[in-house]
Amino acid sequence: DVKVTQSSRYLVKRTGEKVFLECVQDMDHENMFWYRQDPGLGLRLIYFSYDVKMKEKGDIPEGYSVSREKKERFSLILESASTNQTSMYLCASKTGGPYEQYFGPGTRLTVT
Amino acid sequence: GQNIDQPTEMTATEGAIVQINCTYQTSGFNGLFWYQQHAGEAPTFLSYNVLDGLEEKGRFSSFLSRSKGYSYLLLKELQMKDSASYLCAVRDLNDYKLSFGAGTTVTVRA
Repeated sequence: DVKVTQSSRYLVKRTGEKVFLECVQDMDHENMFWYRQDPGLGLRLIYFSYDVKMKEKGDIPEGYSVSREKKERFSLILESASTNQTSMYLCASKTGGPYEQYFGPGTRLTVT
Repeated sequence: GQNIDQPTEMTATEGAIVQINCTYQTSGFNGLFWYQQHAGEAPTFLSYNVLDGLEEKGRFSSFLSRSKGYSYLLLKELQMKDSASYLCAVRDLNDYKLSFGAGTTVTVRA
């Protein structure tokens, strides 16, 4: 079974704090993704990575950065958290080609 | 860009059939996915269509018409456990990107 794990299920941070969200997959997938999910808006792609140290912006990268130093690990960084970054954050991974993405359980981040 | 529309909510009775429609207008199309997401859980893969026609998997079927920019997910013999959100996602011409609709919440009533 493919397993995608995320470092926290729930996280509460203060405005201006630096926040790290970690994602680890155990299936040697090349591609990894970070989404945020908000009611009525669906999943929106923040960043993705198609190889170690490679990254590309998704649809809403502003206020976020990412790091992929090892194939199995993809980190999302909020440099200075703001209240409008309160959301559910989902990580996903997939192998190359027309295959499905496998999602982690999500991190519900609240910024106060 | 991608514009993907699906109904917000649907309600059906246990044992019945429900059809969830998804229409899309995209700058590039390379296949369409359906995912199921129970409240508080991760989305899980249901089906993938890249050619026109119907794909059947047990109680779930998915249909695609590329010329009409239209897909549907058909859930038959509904069970209470099918109460969930169903997400339509279009795969971009590059291998990586999926664009998701806002999701359809299906409530199954006894």
